Amino acid sequence: AQTVTQSQPEMSVQEAETVTLSCTYDTSENNYYLFWYKQPPSRQMILVIRQEAYKQQNATENRFSVNFQKAAKSFSLKISDSQLGDTAMYFCAFMKLSSGNTGKLIFGQGTTLQVKP
Amino acid sequence: KAGVTQTPRYLIKTRGQQVTLSCSPISGHRSVSWYQQTPGQGLQFLFEYFSETQRNKGNFPGRFSGRQFSNSRSEMNVSTLELGDSALYLCASSLARGRTSSTGELFFGEGSRLTVL
Repeated sequence: AQTVTQSQPEMSVQEAETVTLSCTYDTSENNYYLFWYKQPPSRQMILVIRQEAYKQQNATENRFSVNFQKAAKSFSLKISDSQLGDTAMYFCAFMKLSSGNTGKLIFGQGTTLQVKP
Repeated sequence: KAGVTQTPRYLIKTRGQQVTLSCSPISGHRSVSWYQQTPGQGLQFLFEYFSETQRNKGNFPGRFSGRQFSNSRSEMNVSTLELGDSALYLCASSLARGRTSSTGELFFGEGSRLTVL
């Protein structure tokens, strides 16, 4: 069975600073996706960034980037130039890539990030 | 393009009652999955439907059931409600082609918040 662990329940960062959220996972699978989702207070969850396990290059999306270490089973999220709108709970998630597993995400416990002005 | 729509947004039930939650996916999305979110257990996968068939199921008792209609809309039902069923129930849809998602990205609704008294 796959597990996802986020060891930082809460973090805070000053506006315009950089913050890194940690995530480790455990799996025996070789083909999978990893995601970071953001859930703002009382708002719907949205995708921040996605990484295919077969790609060695780390994914980037504007101010968001990941450090994907497949051998270490680590998948951290770096947010640069933090903005007040980045305040949210962030979830790391794993999806096994095999037939019949679409739609099944294994989530970590989440990290609440507060961006301070 | 309209997003994932969940109804009702809030509801209060008493122990022993049953509840039905509805989810309309993004137009063209054929995969619908359901998640339960609680402070203690986090986000847990309930089940996923594709083309009216349950394709994947999480580790929940049989009181939790679902179905999908020909227009991809989905419902989930919880019978004989318990206090521990109080949670935010999230629906997500994805653009799944055949048995493998093209990107793995799930699009979430705002959720149905169930309170069991």
